[in-house]
Formats: sequence, structure tokens, C-alpha cells
Amino acid sequence: GAVVSQHPSRVICKSGTSVKIECRSLDFQATTMFWYRQFPKKSLMLMATSNEGSKATYEQGVEKDKFLINHASLTLSTLTVTSAHPEDSSFYICSARDQAQAGGFTDTQYFGPGTRLTVL
Amino acid sequence: RKEVEQDPGPFNVPEGATVAFNCTYSNSASQSFFWYRQDCRKEPKLLMSVYSSGNEDGRFTAQLNRASQYISLLIRDSKLSDSATYLCVVIKGGTSYGKLTFGQGTILTVHP
Repeated sequence: GAVVSQHPSRVICKSGTSVKIECRSLDFQATTMFWYRQFPKKSLMLMATSNEGSKATYEQGVEKDKFLINHASLTLSTLTVTSAHPEDSSFYICSARDQAQAGGFTDTQYFGPGTRLTVL
Repeated sequence: RKEVEQDPGPFNVPEGATVAFNCTYSNSASQSFFWYRQDCRKEPKLLMSVYSSGNEDGRFTAQLNRASQYISLLIRDSKLSDSATYLCVVIKGGTSYGKLTFGQGTILTVHP
């Protein structure tokens, strides 16, 4: 299946710093990527939809100035957690939507391996 | 009410057992349904899509009841490697298409 990478896989930072997480689709182009957050023993919660070449769409309750999303190319979306606080510590996972049309239309999402953020 | 609800378990079963998970969804306009599997500290991986006619993939059988807004997953002849969290996932239609809504997950532990 298609591959989606995330970098870094793990990051520990001090409170008040900003952290950038990259999500790349390695063998397909993704006009749409999604960012999720997962707290321990909880399910994934959609944070925002990242659209290539346009502004991200944020879910209710997610601060857009806190979680900056940039989708500058068809294979890369970035999530920047600005002025991180301990309560931002979580597992951040992206997914990339593959809507290929060659050989028959498909619409499948592939998840990255996740980034574990710990804010001290 | 949560959009997607699952019994969180945990389910502890011996190898070879049959186990069933249930899931309900609140939005009748939901269009697509899936079961994902998530191992500890890993990303979710698609297990199977769920269709109204029911579908089977080896030891796994999924069922959808649109009238009751209910989805199920049956695992036969459980293996140790089936131990994971199973996530019920729903996609709404319209402008929300593509957004996955996850249930809280059902934890399964298969023991020798």
C-alpha cells in the first residue's frame, strides 16, 4: 500500500517553544491531508483538514493560531504547534488521501506512523 | 451523544475463541464505514470496509445495519496476533466526505 511518513517520530521540548511536524506522502500526490490528535487511551480526534494550496479547515474547538497548518505541495503538509504547553503533549497522526483515477477511481486514506510530542 | 460509540472492553479471550465487537453511529447520513486496527503506540491500519450486504475477509466478518445504525465485527479462531485496539470508523457524506470519525476503540487481548 501507499506510504506516508512523519517526521520527527518523537520530540521532547520545553514549554513555550514551537514544534513543527511534517507529513509526507511518498508515492502518491495528496491534495487533502488530515491531522489527528490522540491522548492516552482515547480515540483519534480530527483536528483539521489540510488542503493543498488553500487554508486548512479546523474542527470546532481547535485553535488555528495555536496549530498552524501549511500544505505547500501535493506531497507535504506541516503542523506547527506554537508556544507548546504540557497539555499539548499527545500523539499527533496525519493521514493522506489518495484519490487516484488511473486504472479506476480510488479514495483511500493512509496514516503516517505518528509523532509523539512531550512538552516539559 | 458521541457520533460513534463502541464498547471499550477490554475483551480477554483465549486463543481460538470467537469474539464480536459492536459499534453504533448517530448520524443517519453517514455513508462509509470501516474497521481499523491500532497496535499500541502505532498508527491505525485499515482492517476492512463494511458493506450493507456484509463482507468477510478470512477470519473477519463485518456487518452493517443501516436501519439500526449499527456495525459489527466478528473475529473467529482468535490468534495471539489479533490482540490490538479495534476502531470503528465512519465517514459522513456531503462536505464532510473524507473526514474519518473514530470510535473510542475496543481493546482485545487474546491469551494462550
